[in-house]
Amino acid sequence: ILNVEQSPQSLHVQEGDSTNFTCSFPSSNFYALHWYRWETAKSPEALFVMTLNGDEKKKGRISATLNTKEGYSYLYIKGSQPEDSATYLCAFEAGGYQKVTFGTGTKLQVIP
Amino acid sequence: NAGVTQTPKFQVLKTGQSMTLQCAQDMNHNSMYWYRQDPGMGLRLIYYSASEGTTDKGEVPNGYNVSRLNKREFSLRLESAAPSQTSVYFCASSDGYSGANVLTFGAGSRLTVL
Repeated sequence: ILNVEQSPQSLHVQEGDSTNFTCSFPSSNFYALHWYRWETAKSPEALFVMTLNGDEKKKGRISATLNTKEGYSYLYIKGSQPEDSATYLCAFEAGGYQKVTFGTGTKLQVIP
Repeated sequence: NAGVTQTPKFQVLKTGQSMTLQCAQDMNHNSMYWYRQDPGMGLRLIYYSASEGTTDKGEVPNGYNVSRLNKREFSLRLESAAPSQTSVYFCASSDGYSGANVLTFGAGSRLTVL
């Protein structure tokens, strides 16, 4: 069983604060690392897919970095807004199989 | 485009009954997936199909069977439902090619087994 771990499990921040979460994954047989945003009562939606060591992706106030050699990725949110409240999932894709395994998620609540 | 369509959206079963969850995508995707959502455990992979004609087990396949009927459709069957299978089930699909394997999810199917 692949260990894809996310921390923290949950997080409360004040509006305007910047925050970050961690995803750790196996450093062997790596193909891609995904980040998804999952709002309550909706379906997960993709934020980023990263494939190369050192990749950095940015979408508005949200950015992500990838270190495949040590097996971790960070997701950053700058100036959190209440609409950022959601669960953020990372997922590890093993090489050559299209098998995508999710972590347990980080639940973010932004307090106005 | 409808994207990924799952049916039914809600279902209540008694222990021992069988049922099939249907999933269809209209994006010409190669890979399809079934996940279940459990509190505190995120999304757990049940089965996936990397391409038409192939299926593979995920993390939690016991008690389930799948059929990749054609490129569009991937069904999940519970032969003898158990209360432990009460969950929300998500189907997803992806292009399946290098660097572009972004998953698109269906709206979910909420299953309760009494």
